Amino acid sequence: GDSVTQMEGPVTLSEEAFLTINCTYTATGYPSLFWYVQYPGEGLQLLLKATKADDKGSNKGFEATYRKETTSFHLEKGSVQVSDSAVYFCALRETSGSRLTFGEGTQLTVNP
Amino acid sequence: GAVVSQHPSRVICKSGTSVKIECRSLDFQATTMFWYRQFPKQSLMLMATSNEGSKATYEQGVEKDKFLINHASLTLSTLTVTSAHPEDSSFYICSARGQQETQYFGPGTRLLVL
Repeated sequence: GDSVTQMEGPVTLSEEAFLTINCTYTATGYPSLFWYVQYPGEGLQLLLKATKADDKGSNKGFEATYRKETTSFHLEKGSVQVSDSAVYFCALRETSGSRLTFGEGTQLTVNP
Repeated sequence: GAVVSQHPSRVICKSGTSVKIECRSLDFQATTMFWYRQFPKQSLMLMATSNEGSKATYEQGVEKDKFLINHASLTLSTLTVTSAHPEDSSFYICSARGQQETQYFGPGTRLLVL
């Protein structure tokens, strides 16, 4: 079945550091890929998405590129801020259905 | 963007009582709603998928008689935890999907059963 694997957390960075959170997936078809962010005590918010190979999703300085050859969708940001502290979830959705499959989530803490 | 609300945001109840959680899509019609459960520092676990006007489809291992889901209209779904016990304490999150593919998530409801 489908699965999503994220790098284990927690990740702790200083403000303005470069961020990478790795995400790889297993799917039978050609899924759409997503990154969601969850701030403390809140539900999930869609951060960015990509629907086909080589697409790059971007939002709020975050980027992720859909790499079919490596089945990856790594999240990056060039300069993190304290306000980026949250849990980040990688997810996929098969083209034939509507359910999302989530990774385990990666806790990011950014210190001033 | 689209907004999904949940009510209540936090509830504490005694063991053996039932708790109802509402999920509303505020500015779009949600043909499909999803209910998730999230344990501390873990990912979301899909409990069930519901389509407006039909019975919910439950994931394997989720007791449908314990977690009653009703999707009576295109803007409202409810999850009722019946005869709640301490092990049911968790963070419950709903999401809604309309004509667009994007799923929008509610802010979650934290349930504590004493």
